Amino acid sequence: DIQLTQSPSTLSASVGDRVTIACRASQNIYSWLAWYQQKPGKAPKLLIYKASSLESGVPSRFSGSGSGTEFTLTISSLQPDDFATYYCQQYNSYFSFGQGTRLDIK
Amino acid sequence: QVQLQESGPGLVKSSETLSLTCAVSGASVSSPNYFWSWFRQPPGKGLEWIGYIFYGGSTNYNPSLKSRVTISVDRSKNHFSLKLSSVTAADTAVYYCARGLSGSSSPPTDYWGQGTLVTVSS
Repeated sequence: DIQLTQSPSTLSASVGDRVTIACRASQNIYSWLAWYQQKPGKAPKLLIYKASSLESGVPSRFSGSGSGTEFTLTISSLQPDDFATYYCQQYNSYFSFGQGTRLDIK
Repeated sequence: QVQLQESGPGLVKSSETLSLTCAVSGASVSSPNYFWSWFRQPPGKGLEWIGYIFYGGSTNYNPSLKSRVTISVDRSKNHFSLKLSSVTAADTAVYYCARGLSGSSSPPTDYWGQGTLVTVSS
């Protein structure tokens, strides 16, 4: 099984801040990594796939980088709508998710 | 517009089988361009992949659930289904269905259902 570890688990930030969430894989997953945003009571929403490809319709303030075992999701300038929980997902070998990072308003 | 909608009992007794269906509109479950997944999320916890099925009927399941899971497709009704046997309280979760795109440069999911809460009672 491929394990994904996200850091931090919780992040407090303000509107306009630049934030970065990290995701580490237990083995090489090349670029087979996606990032999702989830709000309470809603299904996850795909933001990034193949580590750095922006899903259609997702604002350009979201970006992803990394390969192998180290990945990051960056939000360049936080907007009020961005406060949510974020998950990374690997799809190199079946699927698995990180434990999530909750992004709170400071 | 692609839509997925989960349906099934919201309450299942412990040791019985959980059965859910995902109705698909705006896309065909028979298309080789897609595969169809189930996920779940226990209350207040993270996401867990359950399994997926390809258009030809082949499946892959989460190893931790494999012995209890069956995913199938009904092409005549354009839906796919999940069965999870011998449920316990640990199977209480919101269950989601989702579409994935076949192809090496495609995302693993694009459209998701809204989710349905299934509670396992003793």
